Amino acid sequence: AQTVTQSQPEMSVQEAETVTLSCTYDTSESDYYLFWYKQPPSRQMILVIRQEAYKQQNATENRFSVNFQKAAKSFSLKISDSQLGDAAMYFCAYSTGTASKLTFGTGTRLQVTL
Amino acid sequence: DTAVSQTPKYLVTQMGNDKSIKCEQNLGHDTMYWYKQDSKKFLKIMFSYNNKELIINETVPNRFSPKSPDKAHLNLHINSLELGDSAVYFCASSQDLVSSSSYNSPLHFGNGTRLTVT
Repeated sequence: AQTVTQSQPEMSVQEAETVTLSCTYDTSESDYYLFWYKQPPSRQMILVIRQEAYKQQNATENRFSVNFQKAAKSFSLKISDSQLGDAAMYFCAYSTGTASKLTFGTGTRLQVTL
Repeated sequence: DTAVSQTPKYLVTQMGNDKSIKCEQNLGHDTMYWYKQDSKKFLKIMFSYNNKELIINETVPNRFSPKSPDKAHLNLHINSLELGDSAVYFCASSQDLVSSSSYNSPLHFGNGTRLTVT
């Protein structure tokens, strides 16, 4: 069974600084997808960034980028120039290429301080 | 013009009652899901329907029964509610398989229903 592990229950970053959230996963599949979702206090689940396993190039989306290490099964999220609005729970998630479901990690609560 | 809408937003009820949560998506997606987020924020899939057909049932108690009258709706009915059912329930949809969806939003989530069983 696939598992997703987020080893940092909480992280804190100062405004304008950079923070990296860790995620590791376990799978025997070769075709899969990885995601980072953000859940602010409003409870809404918002897709931040997505990575296809077959792509070697790390995905980027404005201030958000990932460090995808396929051999190590690691998928960390880097947030640059952190903003107060980045404060939220961040969930790493995994999906195989054929199954229509997401397996989530336990989340990392990110605090952004002035 | 909310993409995935679920009602109610909050639901407080007593043990033993039967309740339903409704979900509708106006994205034309083929696949809909129910996820449960427990008190520790852990999200786990419960059900998945594709074109009204059940394709995933993640060992959810029989008290939970999803109903899909058409591919735009996936309602969740819960019988004999228990204290442990208290959680936030998220409905979601995707075009088809998660992997084949567009980058911008492979999985659209509703805003969740907070169920409190007393």
